[in-house]
Amino acid sequence: SQTIHQWPATLVQPVGSPLSLECTVEGTSNPNLYWYRQAAGRGLQLLFYSVGIGQISSEVPQNLSASRPQDRQFILSSKKLLLSDSGFYLCAWSVDRDQPQHFGDGTRLSIL
Amino acid sequence: ELKVEQNPLFLSMQEGKNYTIYCNYSTTSDRLYWYRQDPGKSLESLFVLLSNGAVKQEGRLMASLDTKARLSTLHITAAVHDLSATYFCAVGFAGAGSYQLTFGKGTKLSVIP
Repeated sequence: SQTIHQWPATLVQPVGSPLSLECTVEGTSNPNLYWYRQAAGRGLQLLFYSVGIGQISSEVPQNLSASRPQDRQFILSSKKLLLSDSGFYLCAWSVDRDQPQHFGDGTRLSIL
Repeated sequence: ELKVEQNPLFLSMQEGKNYTIYCNYSTTSDRLYWYRQDPGKSLESLFVLLSNGAVKQEGRLMASLDTKARLSTLHITAAVHDLSATYFCAVGFAGAGSYQLTFGKGTKLSVIP
């Protein structure tokens, strides 16, 4: 069966510090991968998606970036965090539009 | 730009009552997804609706899709406290090289004993 792992679960970082969040998927090949952000009490905003290794598309201009160094690994990064980067970051995968996107447990990021 | 509107955004209901959450979207789509989110948790898939007229049921929840009206509904029958959560609908569309979802803002449901 397929599983998705995200870490860390929670993170507290000072403004201006770097960021690296990691997501890995097991049990499937060549998945579509997605990074979403959810601000407190709000809906999901798609940040990045990837259809294959090294292929990244950005939906929202920001100081975040994403990379996909391996087929089932998706990384969200920043060189300098802003206060507005706080939120709940969710990674998701899919292989078939007739099936739902499957979400990881998320990373709760607080910027101080 | 695809827009997805859910209403109500907040819903407080008594146990045993019935209610419907509505999800309207602005452009043609062929798939509609419903998710549940418990406080502080991730999203859990509830239903995938694949065609016009599709109806799916699981326990006290039933979802339907009318693609002509661009409307999906999530009906709650005889609500129980365990159904308290935030419910999201998401509309699928083919983006540049990938299939993407646009989410509604969510309906926060509180079931009161």
